[in-house]
Amino acid sequence: ETGVTQTPRHLVMGMTNKKSLKCEQHLGHNAMYWYKQSAKKPLELMFVYNFKEQTENNSVPSRFSPECPNSSHLFLHLHTLQPEDSALYLCASSQDLQGWDFGQGTRLTVV
Amino acid sequence: AQSVTQLDSQVPVFEEAPVELRCNYSSSVSVYLFWYVQYPNQGLQLLLKYLSGSTLVKGINGFEAEFNKSQTSFHLRKPSVHISDTAEYFCAVSDRSNTDKLIFGTGTRLQVFP
Repeated sequence: ETGVTQTPRHLVMGMTNKKSLKCEQHLGHNAMYWYKQSAKKPLELMFVYNFKEQTENNSVPSRFSPECPNSSHLFLHLHTLQPEDSALYLCASSQDLQGWDFGQGTRLTVV
Repeated sequence: AQSVTQLDSQVPVFEEAPVELRCNYSSSVSVYLFWYVQYPNQGLQLLLKYLSGSTLVKGINGFEAEFNKSQTSFHLRKPSVHISDTAEYFCAVSDRSNTDKLIFGTGTRLQVFP
């Protein structure tokens, strides 16, 4: 059991669907992140939020839209995705240099 | 830009044997270094981290790593592995000037055989 909870754990969606991934952290951290993990590729940092403000957008396509309503919650809104977007999406949070805490991920399959 | 190289994509080893997983990073600036482990269908769990001080860092599950600034390396070691250590291991680095970014290597699959 981790302090970072992601839902759903698995998601299958069509290319015309709209869905959202949710991340919640109970650790009192001030920064939250979305990472994409694809097979045989390094984890890719997608978005960084620090004190609810987006501080990083790593050239992510606009079909991915993050939302951070407060320092404990982070969403990733998905629309008109492509099959190559199928991956494990990991949420993480951090506070200073204590290390990043990761959720268990959402396994996304785009059909 | 910062990058991390994990030279071995897979490391097979027999139970109770020692193991070393290699990690090199690119930047010459001061960095923070981390090792994470990922078990099947799980997220990433922090094994250990180097922030400052002693270059030999001890982590959970009997793992340790040594920071070598001249060789820009942070290799992970365990003197005697167990079947349960079978997992994917990721090295990661963060610049001291930009701690918002954690950059990962491609991972090393450790497979422990009985």
